[in-house]
Amino acid sequence: GENVEQHPSTLSVQEGDSAVIKCTYSDSASNYFPWYKQELGKRPQLIIDIRSNVGEKKDQRIAVTLNKTAKHFSLHITETQPEDSAVYFCAATPNSGYSTLTFGKGTMLLVSP
Amino acid sequence: EAGVVQSPRYKIIEKKQPVAFWCNPISGHNTLYWYRQNLGQGPELLIRYENEEAVDDSQLPKDRFSAERLKGVDSTLKIQPAELGDSAVYLCASRDRGRDTGELFFGEGSRLTVL
Repeated sequence: GENVEQHPSTLSVQEGDSAVIKCTYSDSASNYFPWYKQELGKRPQLIIDIRSNVGEKKDQRIAVTLNKTAKHFSLHITETQPEDSAVYFCAATPNSGYSTLTFGKGTMLLVSP
Repeated sequence: EAGVVQSPRYKIIEKKQPVAFWCNPISGHNTLYWYRQNLGQGPELLIRYENEEAVDDSQLPKDRFSAERLKGVDSTLKIQPAELGDSAVYLCASRDRGRDTGELFFGEGSRLTVL
């Protein structure tokens, strides 16, 4: 099955700095890569996703890049704000149709004012 | 639009006791998932339903866990008997398979503590 590795496990930045979280996956057939944000005690929520036919996608201060050859994808957050503090999970599907997501172990992002 | 509803939010039981969690997905969502999230970890799939059919239960510990989704709407996840290692947050999620999106909508979870 699919295996998703996520790094770092914790990331501390100053407000206004950029943050980068990286994930690798094992199954070359995976073709959908979402990122979820989970605030403390809350439910995970989708913040951005990318499909394998696209190399980069942006949405305001967040962006995701995908390198299918190397089987890794990354989340980039620019101009970080304290409200960006949360746990971020990457995920990948082992096959087409978004059937079952395999999640990474998460990255706790702390943004200090 | 109402989100995914789960109950109970919190449950504390002693080991060897049974426990059940309930999930009501977003109306019209065909796909329903049960995930388990251990402290400091990502969600791990227990079972996925397409309508009322369990299509991926390979990670469900079938000796003590069971699930059902009668009529393809609500779902119940049961643990009997519970063990100390079952302490976790049990997340239900749903997705609209008819839309070209992979977005999962999660409930707020049921936090289980086994003493």
